Amino acid sequence: NAGVTQTPKFQVLKTGQSMTLQCAQDMNHNSMYWYRQDPGMGLRLIYYSASEGTTDKGEVPNGYNVSRLNKREFSLRLESAAPSQTSVYFCASTWFLGGEETGNTIYFGEGSWLTVV
Amino acid sequence: DAKTTQPNSMESNEEEPVHLPCNHSTISGTDYIHWYRQLPSQGPEYVIHGLTSNVNNRMASLAIAEDRKSSTLILHRATLRDAAVYYCILSRNNDMRFGAGTRLTVKP
Repeated sequence: NAGVTQTPKFQVLKTGQSMTLQCAQDMNHNSMYWYRQDPGMGLRLIYYSASEGTTDKGEVPNGYNVSRLNKREFSLRLESAAPSQTSVYFCASTWFLGGEETGNTIYFGEGSWLTVV
Repeated sequence: DAKTTQPNSMESNEEEPVHLPCNHSTISGTDYIHWYRQLPSQGPEYVIHGLTSNVNNRMASLAIAEDRKSSTLILHRATLRDAAVYYCILSRNNDMRFGAGTRLTVKP
């Protein structure tokens, strides 16, 4: 089982360029997440998708767009990259039963290191 | 949003127990308490979670206060491999937000 797979692992962008981070999971999870982690800091939630066809903003959504392409895939797009978006990006997934059941384990990818110069 | 408060850092000696505290005074009745840890240059990994009762697994124990406004992650015998950042998280609906976590240093 691959689990959660992110691509690319490393990317250098120039200010103003656009790019898409890809994420796929093979665990039949319905919920997926994108986080960013700046050096020496904790993770901050960018967007999440409770199920196919739905997306919600997290703590720091500005400058990003997401697409839940199908149940397996959840992409994160930077339309016009800025140096402040230099960070490590983590994709994650879980099975969310809905309602009050939020006790399931979240599985994380290995991260994508993005540098904007 | 449900918030958690953790100490920035803690130290432990190898093979001694470690108690990592977390305050979550704004917890609601349906919020689960999760603990994850992050080793250097890796994504976070699951440690343990609970709702009201104390929980044990092969990695750790989770002690939840009776009023649920605080919890403690217990590592029974710290090893050098337990050195990591530990995050206490409250999950509300599908929203999982991490705080800054506690950086645990384990001394040989």
